[in-house]
Amino acid sequence: QQKVQQSPESLSVPEGGMASLNCTSSDRNFQYFWWYRQHSGEGPKALMSIFSDGDKKEGRFTAHLNKASLHVSLHIRDSQPSDSALYFCAASEHTGGADRLTFGKGTQLIIQP
Amino acid sequence: GPKVLQIPSHQIIDMGQMVTLNCDPVSNHLYFYWYKQILGQQMEFLVNFYNGKVMEKSKLFKDQFSVERPDGSYFTLKIQPTALEDSAVYFCASSWTGGAEQFFGPGTRLTVL
Repeated sequence: QQKVQQSPESLSVPEGGMASLNCTSSDRNFQYFWWYRQHSGEGPKALMSIFSDGDKKEGRFTAHLNKASLHVSLHIRDSQPSDSALYFCAASEHTGGADRLTFGKGTQLIIQP
Repeated sequence: GPKVLQIPSHQIIDMGQMVTLNCDPVSNHLYFYWYKQILGQQMEFLVNFYNGKVMEKSKLFKDQFSVERPDGSYFTLKIQPTALEDSAVYFCASSWTGGAEQFFGPGTRLTVL
């Protein structure tokens, strides 16, 4: 079983709308969660990290973490065509050394102009 | 922003031959990583590297794999000999500290024939 599962696999949202992406972990050792975004032909780029319960907002992006259920979500408001990309959730144990990230399979987000 | 470069972008090689994948990490970063992504699957951790040493490796990091960063030059992943199952996209990443954001390169697509 994959330790980090993402849903949906793909999502289509009209320009200006709200996109909501979900991620669930099955490993309670994971303490840190990251959202990465990957445009075609590029490497993944970190959007934000979250490790405390509740919401974390950065511009149009809001991440929410529920440690009890090991559920993380990413909400993108006022979606733009440039937000069209593959979004990865990644988790780590954050042991104090070099983190090894465990990735989900990703959500393909399409913003319709 | 900070960029990680990977050379080459695509490598085709015959099974049994040696291949070296090169990574030029962000200049002041101290931690280095390799991840492997087989088509249609999630990215998976291979190895991390700090202060000239492998800190942690996964079960995917077979005996035929080795990493090094001689004298602050490229961080390299060498596979000798290659096998068909080594065909994948290999992503290099670097970070300033062990728990900080990992910056990813665009990947090297390795095809083993």
